[in-house]
Amino acid sequence: DTGVSQDPRHKITKRGQNVTFRCDPISEHNRLYWYRQTLGQGPEFLTYFQNEAQLEKSRLLSDRFSAERPKGSFSTLEIQRTEQGDSAMYLCASSLGGGPYTDTQYFGPGTRLTVL
Amino acid sequence: QKEVEQNSGPLSVPEGAIASLNCTYSDRVSQSFFWYRQYSGKSPELIMSIYSNGDKEDGRFTAQLNKASQYVSLLIRDSQPSDSATYLCAGAAGGTSYGKLTFGQGTILTVHP
Repeated sequence: DTGVSQDPRHKITKRGQNVTFRCDPISEHNRLYWYRQTLGQGPEFLTYFQNEAQLEKSRLLSDRFSAERPKGSFSTLEIQRTEQGDSAMYLCASSLGGGPYTDTQYFGPGTRLTVL
Repeated sequence: QKEVEQNSGPLSVPEGAIASLNCTYSDRVSQSFFWYRQYSGKSPELIMSIYSNGDKEDGRFTAQLNKASQYVSLLIRDSQPSDSATYLCAGAAGGTSYGKLTFGQGTILTVHP
């Protein structure tokens, strides 16, 4: 497998439920990023990891969102008490993280969340 | 001012023409720049990255960066119907946040036969 994978690809849930998404980065990629994209907009940064350390989290991210990357491999993004405004495509990307002039992010297929 | 702004679309060009996509950016995302292509319902796919002033060519694609004017562009030569997609410009800051991308809203390109 040479690409970033995400699971599930689609998730439909009812408002108030918790959901969890998984991302498996490209092997040996140290950095892992989460973005959210709504219709007609570019992806919006949520958070990122360098190995297992979460280095930055968007100020726009409410406390209902949490992400982790145990052992620096796959990552999970959990949304608690989902709201209709959480409906979006959640994108994961990974990169080698070698520095600003070599870092290139490759995106997974995304998880499309619909909150009813 | 938004950190990354793309020229308003949609853009429609005939097959074989040159498509020109433009992007301006603020000081906060001035280290490196990326162009991604996104087909409807799919995830972004990297086309090119550019870090230095000037032009960078890859096949039919040429990225241009002008740091003095804070301007990035993508030219697509000999446009094909398969190039029809949304094109996303993204910038990244320097320092330890170098990988954090800020995207523009995208420009929809349609190449008609």
